Amino acid sequence: DTGVSQNPRHKITKRGQNVTFRCDPISEHNRLYWYRQTLGQGPEFLTYFQNEAQLEKSRLLSDRFSAERPKGSFSTLEIQRTEQGDSAMYLCASSFTGANSPLHFGNGTRLTVT
Amino acid sequence: QKEVEQNSGPLSVPEGAIASLNCTYSDRGSQSFFWYRQYSGKSPELIMFIYSNGDKEDGRFTAQLNKASQYVSLLIRDSQPSDSATYLCAVIGGNNRLAFGKGNQVVVIP
Repeated sequence: DTGVSQNPRHKITKRGQNVTFRCDPISEHNRLYWYRQTLGQGPEFLTYFQNEAQLEKSRLLSDRFSAERPKGSFSTLEIQRTEQGDSAMYLCASSFTGANSPLHFGNGTRLTVT
Repeated sequence: QKEVEQNSGPLSVPEGAIASLNCTYSDRGSQSFFWYRQYSGKSPELIMFIYSNGDKEDGRFTAQLNKASQYVSLLIRDSQPSDSATYLCAVIGGNNRLAFGKGNQVVVIP
């Protein structure tokens, strides 16, 4: 399978705990994106990388969120001191460089904070 | 004003009919427009993209773009029960970021 891979698929955690998600993009793609989606809403942009460089981070993103893509391949998204409002589907996508390049999404990680 | 707006409520269409979805966007400098389909509990799946004014057809799907009026639409011909899903309009604006609307749910009634 050469699509975007995310794990875990589901994560249940208690408020205050830290969680980390992983994304493996399509190997030929050099851009990698993280989005968050809640019920009834479209995906909301969080951040994106071109190769290993984090080029943009949403102003809505709390300092508790951090993302890395150390070798320009897979990426991790960490949420520290989780809150119930962090419960959502976290989607990773990748694309080629280029303004018109469509994004291809992984299956997402569903986070539930209790 | 939201970057991408999809304001219609759930759309119910009989099997075989045409489903029509509309989307407006705020950034006049936007150049790339996409429609994604999302089944419940699944991730968005790209079904159409359009960059130029006019119509673009792919199988039973037609995307229409009018940059002067800042809207993009999606037509689904001969709707099938398998088309029942949420359809997300997405736009790459001048900030090079893909922004999504909240989606429109389509229900095809057999």
